[in-house]
Amino acid sequence: DQQVKQNSPSLSVQEGRISILNCDYTNSMFDYFLWYKKYPAEGPTFLISISSIKDKNEDGRFTVFLNKSAKHLSLHIVPSQPGDSAVYFCAATESGGSYIPTFGRGTSLIVHP
Amino acid sequence: DSGVTQTPKHLITATGQRVTLRCSPRSGDLSVYWYQQSLDQGLQFLIQYYNGEERAKGNILERFSAQQFPDLHSELNLSSLELGDSALYFCASSARQNNEQFFGPGTRLTVL
Repeated sequence: DQQVKQNSPSLSVQEGRISILNCDYTNSMFDYFLWYKKYPAEGPTFLISISSIKDKNEDGRFTVFLNKSAKHLSLHIVPSQPGDSAVYFCAATESGGSYIPTFGRGTSLIVHP
Repeated sequence: DSGVTQTPKHLITATGQRVTLRCSPRSGDLSVYWYQQSLDQGLQFLIQYYNGEERAKGNILERFSAQQFPDLHSELNLSSLELGDSALYFCASSARQNNEQFFGPGTRLTVL
């Protein structure tokens, strides 16, 4: 049973527009959420995170929104750039547990020039 | 470059064989994690070591084992390999258990 779901395997966006990547989770014990970005032939790299005490966290062009009641988070990239083309993984952890993140299957983002 | 190194980059072997994947964590990181990514799957956590001791276990098969050595490098041993073991295997490290993880480039294992 997938506890972290990324229901869109892929997303295609025009350069300069907004990219919105979505993630849903089922485990109500999750209270810390992360997004990782992965280029081909490389390992995932940490992008941005959010604690459940917040509903928004911003870092430059990247903003993560958390809706705890809906058990939903989203990553917004504005404006999107061709270099953002990568696979984005959503992950969730229980801070009172082992801190081992549970990952979604990823969304492949393609930003067209 | 995350500072985490994994060798080899690619490994092709046959069913029934045994292989060892190696990981060197970032300098100073005490925690090492192993993940498996099969086709179209997310990263599945296998096992974590912290300063030489096993700390957490995920969906790791009995045919798989790992260890972390005194110099903090880690090895993942996969035995009696099956076709379904073909995957990308990632190692990650962190300074402590609750810190951001830094991933290596992965080892692509192909079992024929």
